[in-house]
Amino acid sequence: DAGITQSPRYKITETGRQVTLMCHQTWSHSYMFWYRQDLGHGLRLIYYSAAADITDKGEVPDGYVVSRSKTENFPLTLESATRSQTSVYFCASSDPTGGEGDEQFFGPGTRLTVL
Amino acid sequence: GQQLNQSPQSMFIQEGEDVSMNCTSSSIFNTWLWYKQDPGEGPVLLIALYKAGELTSNGRLTAQFGITRKDSFLNISASIPSDVGIYFCAGGSSGNTGKLIFGQGTTLQVKP
Repeated sequence: DAGITQSPRYKITETGRQVTLMCHQTWSHSYMFWYRQDLGHGLRLIYYSAAADITDKGEVPDGYVVSRSKTENFPLTLESATRSQTSVYFCASSDPTGGEGDEQFFGPGTRLTVL
Repeated sequence: GQQLNQSPQSMFIQEGEDVSMNCTSSSIFNTWLWYKQDPGEGPVLLIALYKAGELTSNGRLTAQFGITRKDSFLNISASIPSDVGIYFCAGGSSGNTGKLIFGQGTTLQVKP
């Protein structure tokens, strides 16, 4: 089905382990974003990408790494997970062309628990 | 950095009542968006506003882009139980990398 998907939907890991969250979209949107959602903080931008091989930091990038070798995929890696990275992670995409370029479309989220 | 102040933080209303929530900012935005998040799901776009003063409806939802471009409101008329969720406003500055600034969210609970 067309749209934006995230995997896994749920993940439990231990402190110090590397974890990669996957995001895949079928719209060929050039922009992609990673957010984390925590109680009391709303949605905070971790990293974003304007196109393949172009990424930039958001508000809370420390402890995260991203890559974008293909337009449709935007994986987020926690190189050494910490308990403070326990959160719900959302991927989003948008198409900057035309007058509706700011509309972002979100995936279903990944709930990550770091023990 | 840019911030959005969204209010109220939470609302507990009776089914059938009207609901109003708003967002304000010290910065100007070119776009105002309203999203709804159901429990365990990602935010879903409800309404997008692109012109100052614009008033747009989507069923029982009505949103307006403030004249000053620093605020927006969302009204829900005749609330029903499935309106329960978290509502987020977001401001965008077209051409600025496509990034959005999100409000903290309004949690809506509807009593049948």
